[in-house]
Amino acid sequence: NAGVMQNPRHLVRRRGQEARLRCSPMKGHSHVYWYRQLPEEGLKFMVYLQKENIIDESGMPKERFSAEFPKEGPSILRIQQVVRGDSAAYFCASSLSGQNNEQFFGPGTRLTVL
Amino acid sequence: LAKTTQPISMDSYEGQEVNITCSHNNIATNDYITWYQQFPSQGPRFIIQGYKTKVTNEVASLFIPADRKSSTLSLPRVSLSDTAVYYCLVGPYTGGFKTIFGAGTRLFVKA
Repeated sequence: NAGVMQNPRHLVRRRGQEARLRCSPMKGHSHVYWYRQLPEEGLKFMVYLQKENIIDESGMPKERFSAEFPKEGPSILRIQQVVRGDSAAYFCASSLSGQNNEQFFGPGTRLTVL
Repeated sequence: LAKTTQPISMDSYEGQEVNITCSHNNIATNDYITWYQQFPSQGPRFIIQGYKTKVTNEVASLFIPADRKSSTLSLPRVSLSDTAVYYCLVGPYTGGFKTIFGAGTRLFVKA
């Protein structure tokens, strides 16, 4: 049973470009969470999704950031018109249910904005 | 949202027991306490979770006093591979964690 998969592992973008990060949850998991981690800091919650629904996006910046978890395929975190401050590690986690089940984290995507 | 406070770093030697304490004075009635471990360039890994008293699994023990304003993660007989950052989280039972992980505690185990 493969764990949470994220791709790409490393992504380099120039300012103004779009970044698209993908997350495939563990098999059977229908709850996905996205976190951002700046160097030497802890993870910060961004958004919580279930299949086709955004449950909680209180941690998402109001502009340029969006997330989806379609019925088929991976969850996608999209960052439009990236800026240098978006450089960070973005982690995805999944859980079996939303009842505070253990969250399983992926290896992360390291975004570098030049 | 309950804020957590942990020591920034700790040093230990192989074979010793390590106790990391987390303060969460504003913990809510429906909040659970969860600890994660993170190695460099990897995502966090769940260690243990509890609500009150003591919880033990094959990796660690979690001690929670009656007032629940703090908790202590206990790692028995640490090894070099336990060198990592340990995060204490406090959050509601349902839904994703909104709580900021915080900087965590950097544990360095020496030979």
